[in-house]
Amino acid sequence: DAGVIQSPRHEVTEMGQEVTLRCKPISGHDYLFWYRQTMMRGLELLIYFNNNVPIDDSGMPEDRFSAKMPNASFSTLKIQPSEPRDSAVYFCASWPGQGLTLMSGELFFGEGSRLTVL
Amino acid sequence: SQQGEEDPQALSIQEGENATMNCSYKTSINNLQWYRQNSGRGLVHLILIRSNEREKHSGRLRVTLDTSKKSSSLLITASRAADTASYFCATDYNTDKLIFGTGTRLQVFP
Repeated sequence: DAGVIQSPRHEVTEMGQEVTLRCKPISGHDYLFWYRQTMMRGLELLIYFNNNVPIDDSGMPEDRFSAKMPNASFSTLKIQPSEPRDSAVYFCASWPGQGLTLMSGELFFGEGSRLTVL
Repeated sequence: SQQGEEDPQALSIQEGENATMNCSYKTSINNLQWYRQNSGRGLVHLILIRSNEREKHSGRLRVTLDTSKKSSSLLITASRAADTASYFCATDYNTDKLIFGTGTRLQVFP
């Protein structure tokens, strides 16, 4: 398997523009997580899905952020409009779930999307 | 915030030395995991220890867990320059999500 695939790897945009980050989880994994990493706040969990359904979006910072998972092999994280403080590395991770006990196994991370908002 | 704290924030050692990183967390957990992140890359899972385990080994890695103190430590023995990375602990807090600590940046000099 190719692992978790994220695109784009780097994005530079101007304040006010819409940004869409994409993620393809590992096939067969039931859970998908979006994290944001900054120097100031470390790794923050934004939202996660189970079987394509959003379970917990309490980490989404504002209404400007939205995430979807239209099918088991694709998820998007959208920021509209973007602001300079959104600059960060955004990670997608997947986990098999499926009969395993709560978080009893490893998360598989993508390489991240580095977003810079000017 | 439930985020765990790691100590030290940064650690510099020579090749061959041992590196010890500590993680403290706030409430009860099922499992605690350690991850590694090379610069500019995603996180990679290293080891998982369950709440009923006290110690676990994997190659040059040794992890301990003290649930009474709500703390864990990661020991890397005989470190190599290739071990240079950031190391994070992550806890589940009895939920189906992982909350990551603040991380320790390890620099191993040849």
